[in-house]
Amino acid sequence: SQQGEEDPQALSIQEGENATMNCSYKTSINNLQWYRQNSGRGLVHLILIRSNEREKHSGRLRVTLDTSKKSSSLLITASRAADTASYFCATAPGGYQKVTFGTGTKLQVIP
Amino acid sequence: SQTIHQWPATLVQPVGSPLSLECTVEGTSNPNLYWYRQAAGRGLQLLFYSIGIDQISSEVPQNLSASRPQDRQFILSSKKLLLSDSGFYLCAWRGKQGLQTYEQYFGPGTRLTVT
Repeated sequence: SQQGEEDPQALSIQEGENATMNCSYKTSINNLQWYRQNSGRGLVHLILIRSNEREKHSGRLRVTLDTSKKSSSLLITASRAADTASYFCATAPGGYQKVTFGTGTKLQVIP
Repeated sequence: SQTIHQWPATLVQPVGSPLSLECTVEGTSNPNLYWYRQAAGRGLQLLFYSIGIDQISSEVPQNLSASRPQDRQFILSSKKLLLSDSGFYLCAWRGKQGLQTYEQYFGPGTRLTVT
């Protein structure tokens, strides 16, 4: 079963706008990761936030984590057409080895 | 640098035929290895993961199996494919150098169509 659920399932915005996608998970975690997948390709790691962190930045990416609500958000600022992709959150509940992914948000950035 | 390979890139197989997908990793040793399946427009379903040679954990009961005959080789197999086995199969690895290494690295994937 999926550990994470992303919301919305799909998002379409104009280039230059900000894009926000959310992830909810079910069990306690020690970190949460976000990945990006271009159509028909493998996933690429974007950013990791640990359970003792509330916010993290990397370039145009901002990730927040609320462990009390078991939720995370990914904000992409000043979006570009090249940001068009699916975005997934991932956690490793119950241990280090097993990693499970959410259902993903499909982002379309219109030039 | 580390590289992960998957082959074939695409595969069309009839129902009832066998399957063998291969994944190999270069540039690292003793990685954790993972097989995921992604249905069209959907999220990733964890199928198998392995922490070492011949150490495989199965996550979903199905007609698929996995083997790890060598440290950096992970094989996904089936004796008889079902239509529901169609999908995009992704292999991934993750290092074990300390508990701080969580990032997964994905291969390019294999698109399997069962007809």
